[in-house]
Amino acid sequence: NAGVTQTPKFRVLKTGQSMTLLCAQDMNHEYMYWYRQDPGMGLRLIHYSVGEGTTAKGEVPDGYNVSRLKKQNFLLGLESAAPSQTSVYFCASSHLGSYEQYFGPGTRLTVT
Amino acid sequence: RKEVEQDPGPFNVPEGATVAFNCTYSNSASQSFFWYRQDCRKEPKLLMSVYSSGNEDGRFTAQLNRASQYISLLIRDSKLSDSATYLCVVNPYSGGGADGLTFGKGTHLIIQP
Repeated sequence: NAGVTQTPKFRVLKTGQSMTLLCAQDMNHEYMYWYRQDPGMGLRLIHYSVGEGTTAKGEVPDGYNVSRLKKQNFLLGLESAAPSQTSVYFCASSHLGSYEQYFGPGTRLTVT
Repeated sequence: RKEVEQDPGPFNVPEGATVAFNCTYSNSASQSFFWYRQDCRKEPKLLMSVYSSGNEDGRFTAQLNRASQYISLLIRDSKLSDSATYLCVVNPYSGGGADGLTFGKGTHLIIQP
């Protein structure tokens, strides 16, 4: 039982490049989330999903897109990376109706 | 006013001491409260929920004060392994609302030998 896994762990992009971050969970959780964490800012919700095929915007969705084609996977896309998107990205999941979120180990992204 | 506020610290505490820190929240309708722990360069993990009556888990005690809109975390007999950042988390909804959790920026605790 791996819990929540994220791919890749580290990535360096040039401004304007695109990439996709993959999150996978094996706990059969309904809800999945993408957060970013910046120094002095705390965790901020980018997008979330309450089930397969559904996604919704969080607090800071601009510049990101997401897809949840399978219940266990939640993808975060950056179409045209900007230096302001340099951050640590965490994926999380939770059961329907549960407050406890299980986080992945994070992806450290640097955009130059 | 920010939704969830914490003293960022760091709190430097000798091993074996008792340490406490608070978190204030602005939404008086908030329903659920939690403390998460985050080790350096690691993911956050749930430490404990905070109930209206207060709750204790070993050396950790969490309290909620609705009138003053703050929650607290008390750590007794602190260990070196308690060194971490403690995130205050608030949910304004009564159910497990998917977009409801608001995270504080965290309080950095350093336990010194």
